Parts: sequence; structure tokens; C-alpha cells
Amino acid sequence: EAGVAQSPRYKIIEKRQSVAFWCNPISGHATLYWYQQILGQGPKLLIQFQNNGVVDDSQLPKDRFSAERLKGVDSTLKIQPAKLEDSAVYLCASSLMGSWEGLGAFFGQGTRLTVV
Amino acid sequence: SQQGEEDPQALSIQEGENATMNCSYKTSINNLQWYRQNSGRGLVHLILIRSNEREKHSGRLRVTLDTSKKSSSLLITASRAADTASYFCATDSSGYSTLTFGKGTMLLVSP
Repeated sequence: EAGVAQSPRYKIIEKRQSVAFWCNPISGHATLYWYQQILGQGPKLLIQFQNNGVVDDSQLPKDRFSAERLKGVDSTLKIQPAKLEDSAVYLCASSLMGSWEGLGAFFGQGTRLTVV
Repeated sequence: SQQGEEDPQALSIQEGENATMNCSYKTSINNLQWYRQNSGRGLVHLILIRSNEREKHSGRLRVTLDTSKKSSSLLITASRAADTASYFCATDSSGYSTLTFGKGTMLLVSP
């Protein structure tokens, strides 16, 4: 089965510029997550969607970050304007809704963002 | 905020030895999961244990859960160099399958 697809894999931007990341989850997975992982730390949840509705965005810096999941399938995460501290790997994951079935969440390879 | 805290932060062992890492968490959970992350394959789900389970096995992995102590342990038996990675526990406590990760344990297995 195809995995979670993310693009781009790498991005370097200057501070105050904007950037967007794209994620296509596994087909049929209703739940989609965006995580931020700073080097040496564990992933931190930014936003969680169930179909196209937001379940949790309590840690999303809403003054600069936005995310959408149109039609409950793929999703984009945007940062505008970027700050130096946004340098991190942005991970997208998906899972079956409401039932783990012992499978957990499936993660994409991530987008490594460097803000200079 | 990060719910789980793994211990130790780093662990170095020889091939063939067992590796044990621990996770403590703060609030009641629906289930607890362990993930592995290495540079080649990203984050990969290893095993899930539900709040009403005490122990679970999968191949060389053994996970225990003590809800009274709010802690879990992951045992990897007969470690291999390929087990070198960071290991994270993640808790689901929201009712919406929200996963909260800890800071991870970095495991180095030397040949």
C-alpha cells in the first residue's frame, strides 16, 4: 500500500518569507496530523484533522501557521512569515479514524525546513 | 506539551544484549504506543498497548504498561546494529486519537 506522501523533502527560506508543505495521507485514513520536530526533540503536534474538520490545533501558532484539509484528503501547512525558530522537520501522519486496530499512525518522510 | 518522558535519554549497548527503555506519563490514557525513528525510514510504529493490557509482545519487542504508576517499558531482546535509532513513546488520552510524543531515547547498538 502507498505510504504518506510529503513534499518538498527540503526547503531553505529566509526569515519573514512564506512556505507551504503538502501531504497526501494513506487512502481511507480519516485522521491526519501535522507535527513539528525540532532537532533532538520529540514530535510536537501542531494540528489534527478528522476528515476535513479540526480536532486539535491548540499548539498551532495561529498568528503565522495555517493548515487546511480540503475534501478530507490531502492537506497543506503554511507558515507566513517564517522565523528562525521554525527551522525543524515537519511531519505528516495519518491513521484510521477512531480505531487504532493496533496499527498506529503512519508517518511520511517529512519536510526539513531551514530558515536563515 | 509533551506527555511522555522517556528514560534514559541515551543508551549504548553491544549487539546481542537487551535494551530497556522507560516512559512515564502524566494523565490517564486510552493506549500507549512506541515508535522508532532513524534517518533512513522516518518514524515507524512498533507496538500499541491498550490501557486494559499489562503486557504485549511483538517479535523481539516486549512492552509493559503499569497504569497505576503511569509508566511503560519497552524491552528489545538480542539487539542488533539495525536497532540503532531513537525510540519514542506516544500516548493517546484525548478520545480523538490525538498522539502526544515524549522526547525519546537514543539507542546505539555497537557490533
